[in-house]
Amino acid sequence: SYELTQPPSVSVSPGQTARITCSGDALPKQYAYWYQQKPGQAPVLVIYNDSERPSGIPERFSGSSSGTTVTLTIGTVQAEDEADYYCQSTDGSDTYVFGTGTKVTVL
Amino acid sequence: EVQLVESGGGLVQTGGSLRLSCAASGFTFSTYEVNWVRQAPGKGLEWVSSISSSGSHKYYADSVKGRFTISRDNAKNSLYLQMNSLRGEDTAVYYCARAQDYGGNQRGFDYWGQGALVTVSS
Repeated sequence: SYELTQPPSVSVSPGQTARITCSGDALPKQYAYWYQQKPGQAPVLVIYNDSERPSGIPERFSGSSSGTTVTLTIGTVQAEDEADYYCQSTDGSDTYVFGTGTKVTVL
Repeated sequence: EVQLVESGGGLVQTGGSLRLSCAASGFTFSTYEVNWVRQAPGKGLEWVSSISSSGSHKYYADSVKGRFTISRDNAKNSLYLQMNSLRGEDTAVYYCARAQDYGGNQRGFDYWGQGALVTVSS
């Protein structure tokens, strides 16, 4: 079955930049989506179609794609950005896949 | 305001059944694909099932195929998940999520409910 691989954790100091990668063989052909999930809350979409930001999402959240890897970048990290982040995509079939998830810790 | 509200979660014995519901409001429910996504305690997100806007197309994760059935009632703006032959590994928070087509038949989940906890215990 198709898998999307993320690093388990990323640590960053306030004001610095956090980068979270997501790797999958179908990503050159399929868009990726990124979600932020804080403890006890439902996920929130922060990036769609690799690099587009939904309305209401701060500009410090951005996305990029290169080959089989997509990257979520959080610029000028704030304490409120501490959360779990998941990528999501598809292998081209009618099913969806989530990445393994990355816990972002703000030091 | 778009809202998705799940209900029907609870404690069930191994091998038992449960039916989840998701009540939608604030948008034209009949024009959107909707999905169930679950999250086991302390674990990541797992896509479970999707249903097209008309209900004619349904898809399932391998882990639930043959045991779970997704359905919808567009007249009642409601989504359902019938879960049979439940196992301990089905214990999770179950979210309903709206799929938004961002072009090229590619979709992300732009609105989520708050989730319903299903606990399967022997």
